[in-house]
Amino acid sequence: AQTVTQSQPEMSVQEAETVTLSCTYDTSESDYYLFWYKQPPSRQMILVIRQEAYKQQNATENRFSVNFQKAAKSFSLKISDSQLGDAAMYFCALNDMRFGAGTRLTVKP
Amino acid sequence: DAMVIQNPRYQVTQFGKPVTLSCSQTLNHNVMYWYQQKSSQAPKLLFHYYDKDFNNEADTPDNFQSRRPNTSFCFLDIRSPGLGDAAMYLCATSREPQGISNQPQHFGDGTRLSIL
Repeated sequence: AQTVTQSQPEMSVQEAETVTLSCTYDTSESDYYLFWYKQPPSRQMILVIRQEAYKQQNATENRFSVNFQKAAKSFSLKISDSQLGDAAMYFCALNDMRFGAGTRLTVKP
Repeated sequence: DAMVIQNPRYQVTQFGKPVTLSCSQTLNHNVMYWYQQKSSQAPKLLFHYYDKDFNNEADTPDNFQSRRPNTSFCFLDIRSPGLGDAAMYLCATSREPQGISNQPQHFGDGTRLSIL
């Protein structure tokens, strides 16, 4: 069975600071894909960043980057220079159909 | 813009009264998904279509059915809604099914279902 665990129900960060959201997963497959999605309040879920398991290099998208540790089955999201618009629920997903419970990120001005 | 559209945004139905939620897409994606998301919880996959092939999750109640009459449309039917079915229902699409590619899902705005 595939499982995704996000152990931080809520996180808070000061505007312009950096925050890291944690995600661990379990799968017996060797090839798979990992995703972080953002769901702002009352708005649709959108992709933040994705990582192919066969790639050793960590994915980066502007202020968003991941720390992918395949052996540890860990896939954390780092948000640099946090902005007010980053406030949202963040979901980690495995193969795009198994979601973690989410982390609610608050950005303080 | 190509997108995933869910109608209505809010749906109220009575306990036990059948209800249908709709989803359409202009992305021409092969896969369409239905998720149930309860407050402050992760989206839970109910089922998905890969073209015309229906894939039901093992723990999806029989009360939930789905139809995909063509590439663009997919419907979620709840035959006899119970109070526990009150939730946000998300429709999503992707070009390929899970585990095959890095193509992400594209989500609609969701339909919030209330049961009276």
